[in-house]
Parts: sequence; C-alpha cells; structure tokens
Amino acid sequence: AQTVTQSQPEMSVQEAETVTLSCTYDTSESDYYLFWYKQPPSRQMILVIRQEAYKQQNATENRFSVNFQKAAKSFSLKISDSQLGDAAMYFCAYRSPKVQGAQKLVFGQGTRLTINP
Amino acid sequence: AAGVIQSPRHLIKEKRETATLKCYPIPRHDTVYWYQQGPGQDPQFLISFYEKMQSDKGSIPDRFSAQQFSDYHSELNMSSLELGDSALYFCASSLPLRTDTQYFGPGTRLTVL
Repeated sequence: AQTVTQSQPEMSVQEAETVTLSCTYDTSESDYYLFWYKQPPSRQMILVIRQEAYKQQNATENRFSVNFQKAAKSFSLKISDSQLGDAAMYFCAYRSPKVQGAQKLVFGQGTRLTINP
Repeated sequence: AAGVIQSPRHLIKEKRETATLKCYPIPRHDTVYWYQQGPGQDPQFLISFYEKMQSDKGSIPDRFSAQQFSDYHSELNMSSLELGDSALYFCASSLPLRTDTQYFGPGTRLTVL
C-alpha cells in the first residue's frame, strides 16, 4: 500500500518570502499522480498543483511550484512571494494510475502554514 | 464554474440515530468519492463509485452504506451513529479520464451528541 509522509507539522514564513513544504511517499508503482491540496480555515479542499510521475518537468502554477524527485520519492511544494491568503493546512496526496474506475487519494498528515505579516 | 454540491452542510444527530449525506458531482463527472476527515486528521478514503457501480472501498464501517444513482448523485447512509463518527465528510468527483483530478465539495460537518 502506498503511504505519504509530511514531516513538518507546522511551518511559518514572512509575508512576501518563499517557503518550501516537504512530502515523501512510498510506492512500488512507476506511474502515478501527486497532488498538493490546500485547506484554509473554511475547511474546503482546494487543488493547488498536480504532477504526473511520467513527466520529468516540474509543475508550476503561478507562485506555486514543485520539486519532484522520482528516484528519491520526494515531492516538495514551493510557495513564492507568500501572501496572507496562503495561510492554510497543506496536504500532499498520491493517486495510482486509473486503469478503470475510480482511484482513491492517499493523503499525508498535513502541514499547517502560517504567514507572518 | 459549477462545483461539487453537498447537503446538508451541517448535521447534528444523537447517538444511535441515522444520517444521510448527499453529494451532487460536477456536471459530466461520473466518478464520486467519499472521504472522512476527523478533527486534526487527514482525509481518509471511505468509498468510491464509477458509472453507478462501487469501484473501491476503504475503511468504511459496516454501519455505513452508499450508492450512486442514475443521475450520478451519491448518498452516504450512516446508521447507529457513534460519537466517533463526528467528522467532516467530503465528497469529490472526477471525469472518467486517466489523467483526471478529484474536485472536492465543501463538506458536511456531522456532529454526533
């Protein structure tokens, strides 16, 4: 079974600075998908960014980018120019490739990010 | 853009009562997932449906059952509620594509007293 580990329960960063959240995972599969979801105080789960394992290029979405190291099974999230609205719980998630039907997400424990003004 | 709709948003029940949670996926999404998030926990997968058939099952108690209807909406039925069932219940939906992404609804907060 796949597992996802986020070793940083809490992180804080000054507004406008850059912060990196860590995530490692364990799998025997060669093809899979990785995600970062954000959960603000409203508790809504919001997709931040996704990465396909077969793509060597790291995904980017505006101020958010990932460092995907497949051999090391590492998937970190970098937030540049941090804004107060980035304050949230961030979950790293793993999904197996879908052959047919649905494939569940396996989440890490989450990292609570605080932005200091 | 249309999002996943969940109802009710909040639900308070007594122990041993029954609760029904509803999920309406994004239009054209035929795959539905249910997750349970306890206080301070990460979301845990309960069950999923693809084309109205159960696709996968996680750590869902036998007291819980779910189904997906012809219009692709889904209902999670919870019986003999226990205090430990108090949690945020998310529904997510996705397209029937290999590269699909799951989009989450706002969640139903269930409180069992």
